[in-house]
Amino acid sequence: EADIYQTPRYLVIGTGKKITLECSQTMGHDKMYWYQQDPGMELHLIHYSYGVNSTEKGDLSSESTVSRIRTEHFPLTLESARPSHTSQYLCASSRVEGSPLHFGNGTRLTVT
Amino acid sequence: KNEVEQSPQNLTAQEGEFITINCSYSVGISALHWLQQHPGGGIVSLFMLSSGKKKHGRLIATINIQEKHSSLHITASHPRDSAVYICAVRSYGGSQGNLIFGKGTKLSVKP
Repeated sequence: EADIYQTPRYLVIGTGKKITLECSQTMGHDKMYWYQQDPGMELHLIHYSYGVNSTEKGDLSSESTVSRIRTEHFPLTLESARPSHTSQYLCASSRVEGSPLHFGNGTRLTVT
Repeated sequence: KNEVEQSPQNLTAQEGEFITINCSYSVGISALHWLQQHPGGGIVSLFMLSSGKKKHGRLIATINIQEKHSSLHITASHPRDSAVYICAVRSYGGSQGNLIFGKGTKLSVKP
């Protein structure tokens, strides 16, 4: 059951374009996360939020930015896409520390 | 060397077989997660455990904290179990989101 939604599912875009990947959850979770996953590789945390107006960078350096104006919404923005940004981006949420993560279906981004 | 290692990397089984996927980690942890990633990319959380054993349907997860090792077992495997199974750990003092992930085990179950 998908209580966390990501759009678009697939995106092919040219270099230099600004893009926003959407993530919304209907579970009222305070904690939300963005992960990046290259093919055949492990997930890496790029951003997280513990609540409205709270955002932090993860361990993996990323040129993207995030915002958390509403509990249910955690969009990720790339101001100027580059081919090196080609990857899968996965959004997740959890109710509290120590509770299971809920993942969206991911956005597969290709920058040409 | 990744702090979370999974074996095997790839596994092909016949329908009905008993399957074991292993996860070893090198850090002190407060929790270990087993996740299932479908071919389309979506991820489902299967188990979160910090000790002992958990069972859900045909899936069983065990963890040995002293040996820093966990196993995921699938009994009576079925083609719909075909997916990538990912082990992830939350280190002591680490945040929930900042898990350390393994590269995954790709399972293919043939009918």
